[in-house]
Amino acid sequence: QKEVEQNSGPLSVPEGAIASLNCTYSDRGSQSFFWYRQYSGKSPELIMFIYSNGDKEDGRFTAQLNKASQYVSLLIRDSQPSDSATYLCAARSGSARQLTFGSGTQLTVLP
Amino acid sequence: EAQVTQNPRYLITVTGKKLTVTCSQNMNHEYMSWYRQDPGLGLRQIYYSMNVEVTDKGDVPEGYKVSRKEKRNFPLILESPSPNQTSLYFCASTPYARRGGGYGYTFGSGTRLTVV
Repeated sequence: QKEVEQNSGPLSVPEGAIASLNCTYSDRGSQSFFWYRQYSGKSPELIMFIYSNGDKEDGRFTAQLNKASQYVSLLIRDSQPSDSATYLCAARSGSARQLTFGSGTQLTVLP
Repeated sequence: EAQVTQNPRYLITVTGKKLTVTCSQNMNHEYMSWYRQDPGLGLRQIYYSMNVEVTDKGDVPEGYKVSRKEKRNFPLILESPSPNQTSLYFCASTPYARRGGGYGYTFGSGTRLTVV
């Protein structure tokens, strides 16, 4: 059973701080990793993907991947109240079909 | 605008009454999937399709049917809905995934289904 685990939170950070979201996965065959943001009642939207070890930066977002530890993280710098949402981590194995999601971490950015 | 369109957005039905949730994408994506989302359980895949006439079961296929007669459409059919199928449903699509490729799924707006 392929699993993706996330801390369910809720995670609260003050405005302007760095929010750190973590995810572990069980399938060593996982090749690509995705972070989605989901506002309450809305559909998930893709923020970032990463498939190489190390860091990948896109604006205020940095994804980090450590395949040896089977660990993925998302850092949000200068957090804003509009970042308040549930963040979903997903891992993809050999085919696009096998996209496994974690249960999500609820983030609240306090003004 | 590139998008995945689901209908209806909200649906209340009674146990046993067959229903269909439609899904259409205009991005010429090969892969399409249906997910359900329940509190504490995250997104779980129901069925997926790799192309026209090619479908396969996901993690929670019981009680659902799908078909892929055209590339753009991937309807979800509940032949005899039951209350445990009350959930938020998402259709999603993605282009063919090259090895190591970063194509994530594009999701539809969701269908909130209540079975009473």
